[in-house]
Amino acid sequence: GENVEQHPSTLSVQEGDSAVIKCTYSDSASNYFPWYKQELGKGPQLIIDIRSNVGEKKDQRIAVTLNKTAKHFSLHITETQPEDSAVYFCAASFSSGSARQLTFGSGTQLTVLP
Amino acid sequence: KAGVTQTPRYLIKTRGQQVTLSCSPISGHRSVSWYQQTPGQGLQFLFEYFSETQRNKGNFPGRFSGRQFSNSRSEMNVSTLELGDSALYLCASSSEGLAGGRRDTQYFGPGTRLTVL
Repeated sequence: GENVEQHPSTLSVQEGDSAVIKCTYSDSASNYFPWYKQELGKGPQLIIDIRSNVGEKKDQRIAVTLNKTAKHFSLHITETQPEDSAVYFCAASFSSGSARQLTFGSGTQLTVLP
Repeated sequence: KAGVTQTPRYLIKTRGQQVTLSCSPISGHRSVSWYQQTPGQGLQFLFEYFSETQRNKGNFPGRFSGRQFSNSRSEMNVSTLELGDSALYLCASSSEGLAGGRRDTQYFGPGTRLTVL
């Protein structure tokens, strides 16, 4: 089955700096890669996702890049703000027909220092 | 549009008991997936339901079961609770290709925090 590794497990940045979180996946058949943000006491919130036919996607201060050959994808947050502090999870999925199963990375605790 | 709702939000049970958790998906969403989140194992897939049928299952023992109703609401049941079942149980729904929906994008609810004593 799919295995997703996520690094780093903790990340502290100064407000205004950029943050980068990296994930690798094992199953070359995976074709959908979402990123979730989870705040304390809440469920994961989708912040951005990318599919295997796209190399990069941006949404304001957030961007995701995908390298299918190397089987890794990364989350980039620019101009970080204290409210970006949370746990971030990457995930991978093979989405075809009736199959729906997200395999998650272990999470990154991001702390943005004011 | 209301998000995914889960009830109850918190639950305390003792070993050997059983528990039923409920999930109401986003209106119009037909697929419901369940995940278990623990500090040690992270987020793990339990099962997925679509049109009242389980169509995908993770690697959990048979004590974990679920079902989906005709209105897409779903329940999961854990029988003979063990201490290790203490976790946050998350439900996620996806639209399955309805107009305006991304078929496999999953939206999570707030979770049910289960504590087994």
